[in-house]
Amino acid sequence: QVQLQESGPGLVKPSETLSLTCTVSGASISHYHWSWIRQFPGKGLEWIGFVYYGGSTQYNPSLQSRVTTPLDTSKNQFSLKLRSVTAADTAVYYCARRIQISTSPVFAFDIWGQGTMVTVSS
Amino acid sequence: DIQMTQSPASLSASVGDRVTITCRASQSIGTYVNWYQQEPGKVPKLLIYGASSLQSGVPSRFSGSGSGTDFILIINSLQPEDFATYYCHQTYTTPWTFGQGTKVDVK
Repeated sequence: QVQLQESGPGLVKPSETLSLTCTVSGASISHYHWSWIRQFPGKGLEWIGFVYYGGSTQYNPSLQSRVTTPLDTSKNQFSLKLRSVTAADTAVYYCARRIQISTSPVFAFDIWGQGTMVTVSS
Repeated sequence: DIQMTQSPASLSASVGDRVTITCRASQSIGTYVNWYQQEPGKVPKLLIYGASSLQSGVPSRFSGSGSGTDFILIINSLQPEDFATYYCHQTYTTPWTFGQGTKVDVK
């Protein structure tokens, strides 16, 4: 059974870097593609980016200048680093597995972590 | 970015009702739409992928249809565990985007 668990500080000061880690169990991160998604207090969902099993990445253009998502295959983890945060970055942050349905170009997020609330405040 | 607009934003229904939720894309996206259910305090759960395919383990009272710009999620015979918020999600092109959600609550 594949499980994902986010971890990291729940409070970050404005202008600092938000750092979260997603630990994957039940599957090798080298066999799938992964993603970060956030959910704002008003409940809207925003895709942050992908990290592919080879380590390459793709980000939401709205965040591209501030985000990185390194992969650590030795620990079966991937991370999110979001620089220069403001109150607008306050959200629940989820890591999720991206799957491709068979050989079709249909993709979805099939497994999500429990989410971690991050508040940006001084 | 492709905008996904859901309607209604919320609806009230009773157990046993048939519920219909609509999602409209700002441009044609084929059938690259997924639907997720989020119960209060819980994680989004994949219900439907590719506009109409039921994810494994999801009850058959859920169904999806549509292509191009207009998509529908139907819940036949609403059950107590179905009171939740539902989101559509496009994977036609990045940035992947979500609808704003439709909250289904008790009438």
